[in-house]
Amino acid sequence: QQQVKQSPQSLIVQKGGIPIINCAYENTAFDYFPWYQQFPGKGPALLIAIRPDVSEKKEGRFTISFNKSAKQFSLHIMDSQPGDSATYFCAASIDTGFQKLVFGTGTRLLVSP
Amino acid sequence: DAGITQSPRYKITETGRQVTLMCHQTWSHSYMFWYRQDLGHGLRLIYYSAAADITDKGEVPDGYVVSRSKTENFPLTLESATRSQTSVYFCASSESGVGNSYEQYFGPGTRLTVT
Repeated sequence: QQQVKQSPQSLIVQKGGIPIINCAYENTAFDYFPWYQQFPGKGPALLIAIRPDVSEKKEGRFTISFNKSAKQFSLHIMDSQPGDSATYFCAASIDTGFQKLVFGTGTRLLVSP
Repeated sequence: DAGITQSPRYKITETGRQVTLMCHQTWSHSYMFWYRQDLGHGLRLIYYSAAADITDKGEVPDGYVVSRSKTENFPLTLESATRSQTSVYFCASSESGVGNSYEQYFGPGTRLTVT
């Protein structure tokens, strides 16, 4: 049972483009939504996270948009660079003192030069 | 070295053998986690631990055993490995506290192949 559905599975954009990765969740009790970035041969690393009391959060070139009523959230990468080529995972959890994360299936992003 | 480490990085074993994957963190984080990563499934939680001697099941615990006798170590044991346990295994750790953005820090992973 996939509680967090992520799309697309893969994405190719040109340098400077704005890739958008979408996630949808089912459990309305989720209250923490992080995005993780993973480079080949490495472990995932936290990129940016949002809580449902805000609709948007920006950190540098990365933006999370959050739609609580639709139970959807998305990652936008502004002015994408070849160095952004990686696999991106969305996740969700319920704040119980720690994060018991439920991950999406991942999106492999390739930014061509 | 500071951080979170996993060993071995690569392991090939045969069906039915017992294998233990090691995880060590130097931050004294209270929480530690084991995930497996498979294509089409993302990362799935196997077990987690809130402190020494406190462990709990995640989404896919069958076939795995964990222990945590010391805060810094969280070994994962496959008691009788099966081909379906071929995967990349990640250990992670985090602090705790309601309302805090307690990032999970992931290790570099162990690629396990069961033949």
